[in-house]
Amino acid sequence: EPEVTQTPSHQVTQMGQEVILRCVPISNHLYFYWYRQILGQKVEFLVSFYNNEISEKSEIFDDQFSVERPDGSNFTLKIRSTKLEDSAMYFCASRLQGGYTFGSGTRLTVV
Amino acid sequence: QKEVEQDPGPLSVPEGAIVSLNCTYSNSAFQYFMWYRQYSRKGPELLMYTYSSGNKEDGRFTAQVDKSSKYISLFIRDSQPSDSATYLCAMSPFSGAGSYQLTFGKGTKLSVIP
Repeated sequence: EPEVTQTPSHQVTQMGQEVILRCVPISNHLYFYWYRQILGQKVEFLVSFYNNEISEKSEIFDDQFSVERPDGSNFTLKIRSTKLEDSAMYFCASRLQGGYTFGSGTRLTVV
Repeated sequence: QKEVEQDPGPLSVPEGAIVSLNCTYSNSAFQYFMWYRQYSRKGPELLMYTYSSGNKEDGRFTAQVDKSSKYISLFIRDSQPSDSATYLCAMSPFSGAGSYQLTFGKGTKLSVIP
């Protein structure tokens, strides 16, 4: 069964550093997403991406965040200057129609 | 009022029991309803996806949507220890952009005891 692949599974970074989280969505899907889940809290929407541009973004997705689909297969989330409160599980998801398929997530720990 | 409310549990049932999981919502714009299963430190896994009010069955799982009451349910028949996980409801409005941003409930932690 096709799956969404995320790397790395765990990343530890120092506050103020830039991180790039990587995702390979399902190949024929058209819509791509990033969500995050702070420990013990709800899964929260960050951004959606369609036709090589952002289609929606949440209040969380401020100027410190950016997304890119550089080569038609990868989909990346960059956090420019990480803060302690960015520590969370970050999930990539993709969709053709119907429900989303999520990846296994990247656990980001900011120290 | 929170957009999506879900009792976090935990819910503990004996193997073979029928499990009922529920969410309520306040936003009448929600049109699409999903149930996800999430194992510890894993991504959400889609179980059921529904659009209209009524019931949808898939194996041991039945999803029920009542838009008039803004209430959705997931029933699990003949529950198994492998069903032990956190169950998340999620929903989205119709979006002209087509992106269908999901709003999640907090999740209900289920344990099925052998």
